[in-house]
Amino acid sequence: QSALTQPASMSGSPGQSITISCTGTSSDVGTYNLVSWYQHHPGKAPKLIIYEVTRRPSAISNRFSGSKSGNTASLTISGLQAEDEADYYCCSGAGSSTYVFGTGTKVTVL
Amino acid sequence: QLHLQESGPGLAKPSETLSLTCTVSGASISSITYSWGWIRQPPGKGLEWIGSLYFSGSTYSNPSLKGRVTISLDTSKNHFSLKLTSVTAADTAVYYCALISGTTFDYWGQGTLVTVSS
Repeated sequence: QSALTQPASMSGSPGQSITISCTGTSSDVGTYNLVSWYQHHPGKAPKLIIYEVTRRPSAISNRFSGSKSGNTASLTISGLQAEDEADYYCCSGAGSSTYVFGTGTKVTVL
Repeated sequence: QLHLQESGPGLAKPSETLSLTCTVSGASISSITYSWGWIRQPPGKGLEWIGSLYFSGSTYSNPSLKGRVTISLDTSKNHFSLKLTSVTAADTAVYYCALISGTTFDYWGQGTLVTVSS
């Protein structure tokens, strides 16, 4: 069970859009529509922002959206804001009620 | 307002057992709606799923931890616990507890740092 692969860092200016990729295998991302995304401001509790690939909790801004193609899932942040600066992690079901997280992406708002 | 709070010793000795508790407020630990999980983050690294305990009583853990994980509920105190045996320096991490709804880690605690050192 290897960690899902994410870019280590991404950046964008306020108002821009960025897309974070999350690459797994046919044993996790490619098979299960159980990809979720978490926003983590260091020192705080991680927050769920996307679940089941595309679904968004009611309290989460519609600037966050998710998708999946094959073994790669993606998180898009539209209209980037200063408060979006954080670490982002994907997570996928991996069969037999197990989970695997991504390597994490540090997003910087320029 | 749902809140989870991890607690336990911040230091564990090599080969000993790491024990942590997650106290839940705003939800009943015995609810069939929820399950409970533990995740950790070693210094400078990403998140790692440790294990989950479902309302059915079934538990699942990361195969990489080779059976060292026990997760249990204490309904009288509305908390759940993690025990990780035979710890080494590689187990040094911030440990998070989480509420699982369906297949998603819906709510998390703020985390607690556990250092493994003699």
